[in-house]
Amino acid sequence: EAEVAQSPRYKITEKSQAVAFWCDPISGHATLYWYRQILGQGPELLVQFQDESVVDDSQLPKDRFSAERLKGVDSTLKIQPAELGDSAMYLCASSDPTGSQETQYFGPGTRLLVL
Amino acid sequence: SQQGEEDPQALSIQEGENATMNCSYKTSINNLQWYRQNSGRGLVHLILIRSNEREKHSGRLRVTLDTSKKSSSLLITASRAADTASYFCATDSEGSTLGRLYFGRGTQLTVWP
Repeated sequence: EAEVAQSPRYKITEKSQAVAFWCDPISGHATLYWYRQILGQGPELLVQFQDESVVDDSQLPKDRFSAERLKGVDSTLKIQPAELGDSAMYLCASSDPTGSQETQYFGPGTRLLVL
Repeated sequence: SQQGEEDPQALSIQEGENATMNCSYKTSINNLQWYRQNSGRGLVHLILIRSNEREKHSGRLRVTLDTSKKSSSLLITASRAADTASYFCATDSEGSTLGRLYFGRGTQLTVWP
């Protein structure tokens, strides 16, 4: 069964450093989401792509976070500079607009620790 | 905020017992979904119920939706130790076509063998 791939699985960095996460959605899924999940809470949407276009980045801290999906397939989320409060799980998800668009398929996540 | 809220925050039961989790939300929806998350892993979709449905079943899962009370419940029957996980409800926003989901804080379910 096709899965959403994410890398790295774990990342430890020092504050003020740059960090990047990668996501490869399920093949054919035009919609891609990046979520942040703080320990003990539910995921919160950071950015949503439809193909290569951003359709919702209202919760993305744009002074330090950026996201791109240049060819409408895989995506990169970057944080620069990282802050202590960015420690969290970063989850990528995708959905298929031709099928059950409402169902989102999640990757295993990248756990970030900022020291 | 549209974010749903699950209740209880934590639930501990023995294998074979039933587990019931509740979710409340604030604004009108098109559908409500339940997801499961094993510790340190991504979320897995369990079941979706639309706003015009009142009850839905999938295996040992039973979901109800009461749009007048803006609430839903997830029942897991004959629980197993492997059901130990966090369970999240997620809602969309009525009329929205973007597919954005709003997640609650989750219920941590522990099933003891």
